[in-house]
Amino acid sequence: EMVMTQSPATLSVSPGDRATLSCRASQSVSNNLAWYQQKPGQAPRLLIYGASTRATGIPARFSGSGSGTEFTLTISSLQSEDFAVYYCQQYNYWPPLTFGGGTKVEIK
Amino acid sequence: QMQLVQSGAEVKKTGSSVKVSCKASGDTFMYRNLHWVRQAPGQALEWMGWITPFNGDTNYAQKFQDRVTITGDTSMTAAYMELSSLRSEDTAMYFCAVGPLDNYFGYWGQGTLVTVSS
Repeated sequence: EMVMTQSPATLSVSPGDRATLSCRASQSVSNNLAWYQQKPGQAPRLLIYGASTRATGIPARFSGSGSGTEFTLTISSLQSEDFAVYYCQQYNYWPPLTFGGGTKVEIK
Repeated sequence: QMQLVQSGAEVKKTGSSVKVSCKASGDTFMYRNLHWVRQAPGQALEWMGWITPFNGDTNYAQKFQDRVTITGDTSMTAAYMELSSLRSEDTAMYFCAVGPLDNYFGYWGQGTLVTVSS
């Protein structure tokens, strides 16, 4: 099973600052990596697929990079609505499709 | 724009089964996979399985292989997830999600809370 490891578990950031979230795969997943945002009591929302392609309607402050085993989600200037939990998901190897454990972005 | 609406919350006894529905509006599941993902309280997302509605193919996580059945109807606008032999650890929010055949998840249902107790 492909294991996805996200770091850090919690990231404390001030509004307007840059946030950098990491996701590591136990084996290469090429660029078959997606990022999701989840707010309390809500379903996840797709942010990025193909490691770096923003989904429809996602603001340009969200960007994804990486390939192989190392991936990064960057939020260039955190807005109040960006404080949430972020998950990465690989779709290169299945079954199973696998998610990381999540990074909580909280207000510093 | 596809919208997914799931059935309501369920409270079940250990050992019983639950069946959750997911209905689409605005589009169909044609040439897409319909997935079920669950999330235990305070935990990460966990993929359970998918169905390709236009040909009926299914794929399940080994963890759930013996207990989960995912079905779809011929209209390709509804799908169902049945989980049997429920235990307390199955208490979770269950989401349906639709994505391209690449298998990421572009659309999500609102979630169905399943509570299992003795």
